[in-house]
Amino acid sequence: DQQVKQNSPSLSVQEGRISILNCDYTNSMFDYFLWYKKYPAEGPTFLISISSIKDKNEDGRFTVFLNKSAKHLSLHIVPSQPGDSAVYFCAARANYGGSQGNLIFGKGTKLSVKP
Amino acid sequence: DAGVIQSPRHEVTEMGQEVTLRCKPISGHNSLFWYRQTMMRGLELLIYFNNNVPIDDSGMPEDRFSAKMPNASFSTLKIQPSEPRDSAVYFCASSNRRGVQFFGPGTRLTVL
Repeated sequence: DQQVKQNSPSLSVQEGRISILNCDYTNSMFDYFLWYKKYPAEGPTFLISISSIKDKNEDGRFTVFLNKSAKHLSLHIVPSQPGDSAVYFCAARANYGGSQGNLIFGKGTKLSVKP
Repeated sequence: DAGVIQSPRHEVTEMGQEVTLRCKPISGHNSLFWYRQTMMRGLELLIYFNNNVPIDDSGMPEDRFSAKMPNASFSTLKIQPSEPRDSAVYFCASSNRRGVQFFGPGTRLTVL
């Protein structure tokens, strides 16, 4: 049973427009959410994160929104650039009694930004 | 900062052979994770260590897989004997106390 779901396996966007990547989760114990970007033949690289006490976190062109009631988060990239073309993974961590747990990853969304 | 170092980057072996993957985490990180990525199952956690102690190995597929972390700067993932279905990309990651994981470049394993 997938606790973190990325329902869109792929997304194609025109350069300069907004890219919106979505992620849903089921476990209400998740307290920390992250987005990773992965290029072919490389490991995933950390992009941006958000704590469950916030609903928005912004870093340059990247903004993550968290809707706890809907158990949904999204990553917005504005403006999108061809170099953003990669697979994006959503990940979540559960806080069990304060101990640092592992991350649960979604299956990823492949973003293609066309010039 | 050298980042997480994995070796080898590519490994091709024959069914039945022993395979050992190596990982050097980022200095100062207290947690280390081994993942496997396949097309079918995505990124799966195999095992993770906190302060060199295995915490959760429930993702290890079967007894053919074993992992060790003899010290804070080195970990191995061993498959013995290897099978074609073990072919995948294996990632090692380490994290600081904040919980952000930093991944190595991965080892692409092909078992013929």
